[in-house]
Amino acid sequence: AQRVTQPEKLLSVFKGAPVELKCNYSYSGSPELFWYVQYSRQRLQLLLRHISRESIKGFTADLNKGETSFHLKKPFAQEEDSAMYYCALKRTSYDKVIFGPGTSLSVIP
Amino acid sequence: DGGITQSPKYLFRKEGQNVTLSCEQNLNHDAMYWYRQDPGQGLRLIYYSQIVNDFQKGDIAEGYSVSREKKESFPLTVTSAQKNPTAFYLCASSTGSAGANVLTFGAGSRLTVL
Repeated sequence: AQRVTQPEKLLSVFKGAPVELKCNYSYSGSPELFWYVQYSRQRLQLLLRHISRESIKGFTADLNKGETSFHLKKPFAQEEDSAMYYCALKRTSYDKVIFGPGTSLSVIP
Repeated sequence: DGGITQSPKYLFRKEGQNVTLSCEQNLNHDAMYWYRQDPGQGLRLIYYSQIVNDFQKGDIAEGYSVSREKKESFPLTVTSAQKNPTAFYLCASSTGSAGANVLTFGAGSRLTVL
């Protein structure tokens, strides 16, 4: 069965430092990968998806099919980046979306 | 104002009682989902529906039931058979069409069993 793993439950970085939130998946096909974010007291929302190949709020994520990874990166963390981040996978357009356990990012001023 | 509305926001239930959580969307989305969010476990899929009058079990469907009689509504019933129902429940929807896989989430409902 397909799975999404996020090895870090908690991640703390200083403001201005680079940040990388790891995501690995287990699926032999070509899934669609997403990062969702939940800021304090806000709804869970899409941050970015791999097919868009865009940078959102300074974050980027590259799909590495060889390593089955989709790590989220930002070169300079900001305090407003503190949130819960979820990696998610969808096998096909009409399939369910599977989420990882999430990583709580805390940016220290 | 388009979006997903979940109600109630907070709900208390005694053991042995069934409770129904409401989820309504006015986004004209075909697909709707129910997730359960627990600390350290992420979002686990309970049920999902791609079209009206059809739904599939997710990973943790036991003790839950759903219906999809209308496109805009996907209520979730937490039955007394659910052994650990205290949790935060999230409803989501998506267009369901090819290439449009982004989920829109509601604000959630927190259920506490006393």
